[in-house]
Amino acid sequence: QVQLQESGPGLVKPSETLSLTCTVSGLSVSSGDYYWNWIRQSPGKGLEWIAYIYYTGNTNYNPSLKSRVTISVDTSKNQFSLKLSSVTAADTAVYYCGRDGGAIVRGLIMDWGQGTLVTVSS
Amino acid sequence: EIVLTQSPATLSLSSGERATLSCRASQSVSSFLAWYQQKPGQAPRLLIYNASNRATGIPARFSGSGSGTDFTLTISSLEPEDFAVYFCQQRSNWPWTFGQGTKVEIK
Repeated sequence: QVQLQESGPGLVKPSETLSLTCTVSGLSVSSGDYYWNWIRQSPGKGLEWIAYIYYTGNTNYNPSLKSRVTISVDTSKNQFSLKLSSVTAADTAVYYCGRDGGAIVRGLIMDWGQGTLVTVSS
Repeated sequence: EIVLTQSPATLSLSSGERATLSCRASQSVSSFLAWYQQKPGQAPRLLIYNASNRATGIPARFSGSGSGTDFTLTISSLEPEDFAVYFCQQRSNWPWTFGQGTKVEIK
C-alpha cells in the first residue's frame, strides 16, 4: 500500500519561501512510470495543480505559478519536494502531494497525502 | 487553461434519493474527465475516470457519463456516507484543472 506524507512549516512569512517535502512509503519514487504531484486547495481558488515530477527529474509546472515554483526528487530518500518563493496570503492553502496512476491514466491522483495546511502570515 | 464549471453548487437530498451532478468544460476534454469525492478533513478520493470508468473499489451506485464538454456524475441511491463534496477534473490539457465542487448535503 502506497502512503504519502507531507512535512514542512505550517507558517511562512510573506515574501519568504514555502518548502514542503513528501515522503513516500510502499513504493519507490524511481519505480514504475508514475508522476509525483503537488496540488493545493484553498477556499478562494479551490483545487489547483501546482506541478509534477518524474523520477528522472523531468518536471512540468502550472504556468500561473511557474516563475515561483521548483519541484525536485530525492530518490535516495524516496522523497520529492516543493519550493514556492515570494509567498503572499493568496498562497495560504492545504498542500497535498500525490501519485498519479501511470502512463495509461496520466493525470489522475490515485494516492494522496493527508495534506498539510500552510498559512502565510507575518 | 480549461475551466470546469460544476452545477449545482449545493444539492440537498435524502438518503435513498438519486443525485445528478453536472460538470461543463470550457472546451472539449474528450473523455479525459474524472470525478473525486472529498469528505471534511480528508484528501479527495478518485471515483470515476475517463468519464465513465469506476475506480477500484468504488460501488456500482456511482456512474459517470458524457464526453466533449458536458459530463454527469450520478449516484443512484444515496447512502449516508455519500454526503460529501464532489469535484470534476480534466487531464486533457495541461495544466490539469478541477471544478469548484458540488456539495451533496443531507436534506
